[in-house]
Amino acid sequence: AQSVTQLDSHVSVSEGTPVLLRCNYSSSYSPSLFWYVQHPNKGLQLLLKYTSAATLVKGINGFEAEFKKSETSFHLTKPSAHMSDAAEYFCVVSSSGGSNYKLTFGKGTLLTVNP
Amino acid sequence: GAGVSQSPSNKVTEKGKDVELRCDPISGHTALYWYRQSLGQGLEFLIYFQGNSAPDKSGLPSDRFSAERTGGSVSTLTIQRTQQEDSAVYLCASSAQGGNQPQHFGDGTRLSIL
Repeated sequence: AQSVTQLDSHVSVSEGTPVLLRCNYSSSYSPSLFWYVQHPNKGLQLLLKYTSAATLVKGINGFEAEFKKSETSFHLTKPSAHMSDAAEYFCVVSSSGGSNYKLTFGKGTLLTVNP
Repeated sequence: GAGVSQSPSNKVTEKGKDVELRCDPISGHTALYWYRQSLGQGLEFLIYFQGNSAPDKSGLPSDRFSAERTGGSVSTLTIQRTQQEDSAVYLCASSAQGGNQPQHFGDGTRLSIL
């Protein structure tokens, strides 16, 4: 079975400084990995997706993530935080084979951006 | 054009009542999913539809929960004899196909059981 661990439940940064949200996964196969963002009272929006192509994945709103198999990590970064980035972020892994529609979510990281 | 639409956005009901939650997926998306988001449990998979069939219902927590999909489009999640532990946000998502295609989420229905 696969699992996802988001290492920080809450990250606080100042506007204009870099963002790092950490995610480690456990999987017995080559996984598909995603980052989603959820703003208050909204659904989840896909930021980016890794599916065994390039290990550095660029997403929307200036976010990117790097897949590191040796470290089983898929950390999300952004060079400069904006106030509108304040939200909850979920690292997600999909199952394998015939169940690859089934997503397993991390517990989420709440990002606070201070002016 | 429109995204996944869910209704109602909020629902407050008394314990023991039945509730129906509706999901209207993105046009043309054959796969539809229901998830539950609660403080204690995070995001949990409930059920997966491919067309009108549900090949995976493994996440439905009890036989009080059921879901159907008609015309390969709209889906309804029904909770019978609601309990307080059913209070959560119920999220619907759709994707162009099954598999690991990106899933697009609605804004959810916030269900509160009094």
